[in-house]
Amino acid sequence: DAGVIQSPRHEVTEMGQEVTLRCKPISGHDYLFWYRQTMMRGLELLIYFNNNVPIDDSGMPEDRFSAKMPNASFSTLKIQPSEPRDSAVYFCASSLRGGADGAYGYTFGSGTRLTVV
Amino acid sequence: KNQVEQSPQSLIILEGKNCTLQCNYTVSPFSNLRWYKQDTGRGPVSLTIMTFSENTKSNGRYTATLDADTKQSSLHITASQLSDSASYICVVSAVGTDKLIFGTGTRLQVFP
Repeated sequence: DAGVIQSPRHEVTEMGQEVTLRCKPISGHDYLFWYRQTMMRGLELLIYFNNNVPIDDSGMPEDRFSAKMPNASFSTLKIQPSEPRDSAVYFCASSLRGGADGAYGYTFGSGTRLTVV
Repeated sequence: KNQVEQSPQSLIILEGKNCTLQCNYTVSPFSNLRWYKQDTGRGPVSLTIMTFSENTKSNGRYTATLDADTKQSSLHITASQLSDSASYICVVSAVGTDKLIFGTGTRLQVFP
């Protein structure tokens, strides 16, 4: 298995532009999580899906952020318009079950490093 | 409030030496605790996972301990190698939730 695949690995964009991050979870995993990581705050959960349905988006910082999961093999995180404070590494993770049931294949992607100038 | 705190924030050791990283949590009701290793530019990778009834678990040179009474965990690295240089993150989950609660990590640097 290729693991969780994220694209692009790096993204540099100008303030005000739209940014779309992509994630392909591990086949058969029915949970998908989007995280943001910064030096100051560590890893923060933004939103997670179960069977393609958004379950909890309370971590999404603002209306500028949106996430979709049109099918079991693809999810996007969009920022529109982007701001310099959105600069961070964004991780996608997938698992067979949710966090409370243990690891069950909880796997992170390699992340997308976003820089907004 | 559910929290996970790690110490030290950073640590420098010489190759071949042992070290111990600490994690204290206030998550309740406790479900499980995991230690992740995150290499620079990569996503976190799971090292160990322990439930309430487990008090120690090993993965090669990595040994994690859990004291559910004091809500403390430690990760011991034996005979460190240069490749152990990474951030180590303690993660706790609570019963009844799919969310994980992350510590801010310990940055370990191993020098020759």
